[in-house]
Amino acid sequence: EAGVAQSPRYKIIEKRQSVAFWCNPISGHATLYWYQQILGQGPKLLIQFQNNGVVDDSQLPKDRFSAERLKGVDSTLKIQPAKLEDSAVYLCASSDRGIGSYEQYFGPGTRLTVT
Amino acid sequence: GNSVTQMEGPVTLSEEAFLTINCTYTATGYPSLFWYVQYPGEGLQLLLKATKADDKGSNKGFEATYRKETTSFHLEKGSVQVSDSAVYFCALTFSSGGYQKVTFGTGTKLQVIP
Repeated sequence: EAGVAQSPRYKIIEKRQSVAFWCNPISGHATLYWYQQILGQGPKLLIQFQNNGVVDDSQLPKDRFSAERLKGVDSTLKIQPAKLEDSAVYLCASSDRGIGSYEQYFGPGTRLTVT
Repeated sequence: GNSVTQMEGPVTLSEEAFLTINCTYTATGYPSLFWYVQYPGEGLQLLLKATKADDKGSNKGFEATYRKETTSFHLEKGSVQVSDSAVYFCALTFSSGGYQKVTFGTGTKLQVIP
């Protein structure tokens, strides 16, 4: 079974530029998550999708961040314009809405550096 | 609200030492509890889990027991190896509005020296 795919793995941009990250979850996983992980901290949930609908975006800075999940499969997270404090690793995860626990499967992340 | 508190790191141990990383939680209802591990340069991966009180999760020599009376889920390993050096995250999932939500701790860095 293929894991969660993310691209690019690394990105360096200047502040005020825009950037987009892509995530392809594990096939069949209904729930998709985007996290921001600042160095030395735990993952912070930015947005959670159930199929192609948003169920939690309470911590997404909506003035600059946007995300979509077309057709309930892969997803794109965009930042426009970027700020220095957006430098972080952006993690995508997916989970299967099965019975029992809801363990998440993470991609390798995209490391963003804003200069 | 629902939250997870982990012991601060870094934790530095010699190879073959005993490991404990403390994790306590605050939650309403009956959350599931997880330990995730993040090796350098990689994403998080599930290490072990427990879905109800008194359950013990185990994997790769690591163990954690879901203790409802002390609201804890401490991670233990009897003999650590250099390859266990990583950041360990405690997490819980809970139901909210018909969906599963997740909360992570801040992570504890483990460094094992030969």
